[in-house]
Amino acid sequence: KAGVTQTPRYLIKTRGQQVTLSCSPISGHRSVSWYQQTPGQGLQFLFEYFSETQRNKGNFPGRFSGRQFSNSRSEMNVSTLELGDSALYLCASSLSAGDGNTIYFGEGSWLTVV
Amino acid sequence: GENVEQHPSTLSVQEGDSAVIKCTYSDSASNYFPWYKQELGKRPQLIIDIRSNVGEKKDQRIAVTLNKTAKHFSLHITETQPEDSAVYFCAASKGAGGSYIPTFGRGTSLIVHP
Repeated sequence: KAGVTQTPRYLIKTRGQQVTLSCSPISGHRSVSWYQQTPGQGLQFLFEYFSETQRNKGNFPGRFSGRQFSNSRSEMNVSTLELGDSALYLCASSLSAGDGNTIYFGEGSWLTVV
Repeated sequence: GENVEQHPSTLSVQEGDSAVIKCTYSDSASNYFPWYKQELGKRPQLIIDIRSNVGEKKDQRIAVTLNKTAKHFSLHITETQPEDSAVYFCAASKGAGGSYIPTFGRGTSLIVHP
């Protein structure tokens, strides 16, 4: 079974630009969540989508948005990029059914804002 | 909401020694506790998990213990090897049906010296 796939893996953007990151979950997984990881800040939850609806949202500004398609693939968008948005963005998927909703991470998208 | 504290932030051991990482959680409704290992530049990967109806779980050199009364759980690695060097994250979630999001600790950087 293929794992969680994220594209692109690496990208460099300029302040003020916007970026879109893509995530394909494990086949059969309907929940997709996004995390921002920076040194010293651990894994910070951005949002979670389930059946094309945002089900949970973390404490990030409105510049961070996302969506989920009918095939469970998800995208996240960051508008008006700031230097502080440089981070590893991780997507994770899960069955989100029953107990023990283990989440499985993708390899991440490394974003550098210059 | 849930709050997960993880200690220590850095742990340095000699090869062959044991390593213990401890986490506490605040929400007594949490019932699923996974541990992730993240090697440098790679995705966090699930290494072991435990549910609230179990007090201990082992997988070769790795074990996790859970004390529901005290709301803390620990990761134990015996006979450490250099390849165990990584950042370890604990997490807590409610897990059961419907919407959930795991809350992560801030991570422990484990360094195993040959």
